[in-house]
Amino acid sequence: AQSVTQPDIHITVSEGASLELRCNYSYGATPYLFWYVQSPGQGLQLLLKYFSGDTLVQGIKGFEAEFKRSQSSFNLRKPSVHWSDAAEYFCAVANLNNNAGNMLTFGGGTRLMVKP
Amino acid sequence: DAGVTQSPTHLIKTRGQQVTLRCSPKSGHDTVSWYQQALGQGPQFIFQYYEEEERQRGNFPDRFSGHQFPNYSSELNVNALLLGDSALYLCASSLRTGPTDTQYFGPGTRLTVL
Repeated sequence: AQSVTQPDIHITVSEGASLELRCNYSYGATPYLFWYVQSPGQGLQLLLKYFSGDTLVQGIKGFEAEFKRSQSSFNLRKPSVHWSDAAEYFCAVANLNNNAGNMLTFGGGTRLMVKP
Repeated sequence: DAGVTQSPTHLIKTRGQQVTLRCSPKSGHDTVSWYQQALGQGPQFIFQYYEEEERQRGNFPDRFSGHQFPNYSSELNVNALLLGDSALYLCASSLRTGPTDTQYFGPGTRLTVL
């Protein structure tokens, strides 16, 4: 069964500092990977996705992520964090099993706090 | 272009009661999925509806059931509520059910069971 692990439950960074959120997946084939962000009391907003091709993908709000097959990772990065980036971030993988549709398996999330 | 909408926003029920949550997909989308997000956890897949049929189901008991209407909107029903059913229920829509068909999420319904 596939799984997603986000090793860091909480991360605090200073405004203007760089950010990297870790995501590791367990899946037998090429995964379809996603990063979503959730602001307090809100639903999930898609930041970016990786299906194939260039392993460095660009998303909205200045975020990017790099797929590394050898490390089973899909880490999210941002060069300079803004106070408005404080939120919970979820990594997810799409289930590619037969007849499984596009069901997503999510990690436990990383809560990002931004210091002024 | 309206995104995914859900109603109600908040709901309070007592143990043993039944609840119905509603979802309208993003314009042009025909597939609706439901997820349960307990406090402090990532969302967990409940089930997915396409062409008015349940196509895939996660590890949830039969107390959780759903329906999709011809206009692609959907309902999630939960019977015999337990305290552990308290969670944020998220609806997501997509065009078709393939792994590259990105899901877009609604704001959720916060269910509290007392």
